[in-house]
Amino acid sequence: AIQLTQSPSSLSASVGDRVTITCRASQGISSALAWYQQKPGKAPKLLIYDASSLESGVPSRFSGSGSGTDFTLTISSLQPEDFATYYCQQFNSYTLTFGGGTKVEIK
Amino acid sequence: EVQLVQSGAEVKKPGESLKISCKGSGYSFTSYWIGWVRQMPGKGLEWMGIIYPGDSDTRYSPSFQGQVTISADKSISTAYLQWSSLKASDTAMYYCARFRYDYMRAFDIWGQGTMVTVSS
Repeated sequence: AIQLTQSPSSLSASVGDRVTITCRASQGISSALAWYQQKPGKAPKLLIYDASSLESGVPSRFSGSGSGTDFTLTISSLQPEDFATYYCQQFNSYTLTFGGGTKVEIK
Repeated sequence: EVQLVQSGAEVKKPGESLKISCKGSGYSFTSYWIGWVRQMPGKGLEWMGIIYPGDSDTRYSPSFQGQVTISADKSISTAYLQWSSLKASDTAMYYCARFRYDYMRAFDIWGQGTMVTVSS
C-alpha cells in the first residue's frame, strides 16, 4: 500500500507568514493528491485536488504543487482562520491513504 | 444544496452490533462513490472503504477488510457502515464523504460525523 509522509507534524507560525507543508508518497502517484483542512470538532474540508487545482470557494492564498512522489501545500499569507490541521490524501487503483497530518499553531 | 447527513451519536457495549447511516441529497446519489473515514480521538484520518451506490461495488482498506461492512440502499439514497461485534478500539468519529472519481479523485462533500463510543 502507498504510504504518505507529511512534514512537519506540527509548526508554529504568525499571521502573515508563508507556510509550506510537504507530503511524500512511497511510490509515484502522478497528480492524484488532495489536501484537506480540519478544524477542531469539524469535518475535513477539501482545499486542493489533483495536486494543484483549487477547490471552488477556497481562498487563493492556498496553493498546491508537485507530482510523482513529492508534493507541497503552501499558504502564502497565514490568516487567523487558517490555524488548523492539514492532511494530504492519495488515490491509486481504488485505494486511498491519508497522511499523518500537520497541525498549524499560533506562534 | 448538496449534503450528506449522518445518523446520531451512539454509545454501545463491547460485543454489540451497530449500523450507522449517511443520507445524501441534492445530487444523483447513484452516480458518485461514498467513502467512510475513521478518526480516533486525537488522531488522524484513516480511510476505511468506498462504495458505488449505483451497483454496490465496494472496496475496502486492507486495515478494515473483514472488520466492518459497507453497504448502500439507493432507493433511499443512504449508505451504511456496520459492525457485527464492536470493540473498545472502535471508539471514534466516523465520517462519510462523497468521492469524486472523475478529475478530482478526492472527497468533496463530507457528512457531519457520527461519534461511536464503545464502553462496558
